[in-house]
This record gives sequence, structure tokens and C-alpha cells, in this order.
Amino acid sequence: GESVGLHLPTLSVQEGDNSIINCAYSNSASDYFIWYKQESGKGPQFIIDIRSNMDKRQGQRVTVLLNKTVKHLSLQIAATQPGDSAVYFCAENGYQAGTALIFGKGTTLSVSS
Amino acid sequence: DAGVTQSPTHLIKTRGQQVTLRCSPISGHKSVSWYQQVLGQGPQFIFQYYEKEERGRGNFPDRFSARQFPNYSSELNVNALLLGDSALYLCASSLWADSYEQYFGPGTRLTVT
Repeated sequence: GESVGLHLPTLSVQEGDNSIINCAYSNSASDYFIWYKQESGKGPQFIIDIRSNMDKRQGQRVTVLLNKTVKHLSLQIAATQPGDSAVYFCAENGYQAGTALIFGKGTTLSVSS
Repeated sequence: DAGVTQSPTHLIKTRGQQVTLRCSPISGHKSVSWYQQVLGQGPQFIFQYYEKEERGRGNFPDRFSARQFPNYSSELNVNALLLGDSALYLCASSLWADSYEQYFGPGTRLTVT
């Protein structure tokens, strides 16, 4: 499958491949992280979250990994499907105003069949 | 169950005008947050409201204001519109005041001409 070590704005994979999307977060105090999927013309859709007392969490076809040492988050999508094509954002809580989420730069995932 | 709903879907306004956007949270959710998403970027936090009180405010000018009603629905108002206010305005709801687990609505696309 495709993987990226640094954040890249786009990722192109073949249907059936595994995809890995990376994210660097900014605030060492952040202890809650979310991955969102945003399709064109729609609002962000909650995929999976993870707290800082965990380093891995699995959902349906998705896994989130958290490395607090280097402030890095990744989203792994197994057996990527054309319906997974979207922009993916990571977000951290950051302890700023209220319960504001701080969003990272999005990654556009394109899945070809 | 219905998710977060927002109205209107699209809106076109002229510079200097005022606009009001509306949001209804997921049933049972008491906190509402507003975000602005400029094309090609991640959402940026504007406000959080809980029990009709402002709990957090992002780095936006005073032209932006909001309120929350007893039924937990919310309105975002923007006065003296500028071309740069053109964006997708997203509403997110969560259960409690300190809950970072937020679910987004489809957004209102505002175009200022």
C-alpha cells in the first residue's frame, strides 16, 4: 500500500490497496485527536478518535496511530475503496478557546479502480 | 436519528450586507460550535456555545456574533460582509460543554459579491 512519511496534500492509490495518511499536530498539550473525512460539498464526517493515553485504536477498516514523542498521527485505511475518495483532516483539541478543534492540513485521497 | 442540520444550504450576499445562518444540533446535544472553512483549507473555529452562554471564541472580528436558544439551536450572524467572508460555514454539535467529540453539519455556503 501507499504510505507517506511527511504530510502530502494528495495521495493516489489503487482500489484494494492500504492507504496511510499522516498528520503532524502542533500542541504538546493536546490529548484528544480526531480524523474527519470530507467529501466534496459536504461537512466533515467523524471517522475515528483517539486519546493520548492510547497509541493505537482500530475501527471498521481504519486504524489510527499516535506517536506523542514526535507529535505525529496517522490514519490507515485497509482495502481502500473508491468511496473512500475524499479530503481527510486530522484535528487536535489544543486547549485553546472552549472546545475548539484545531485542524491540520487536509490530504486528498484519490482511489482509482 | 437526524444529524446536525443547517440552513440555508447556499447564500449569496453583497458586500456590506448582513447574514444569519442557522443550526440545529443532534438531538440531546447541548453544545454548538461554529467553524469557517475557506476553500482548500481546514475548518477554523469561530464560537462555542453551551446552555446559551459563549464558552469560547476564535480569532474573528466583532462583526461575527452568535447566540444559542433554549432548544439548543444556534444562529451565527455576520455584519458588514466582506469578500473574504466567502466560505463554507460549519456547525458542529457535541453532548457537553467540555466534549471535544464533535459532529458536523453539511454547512452553509456563503458567497459575498
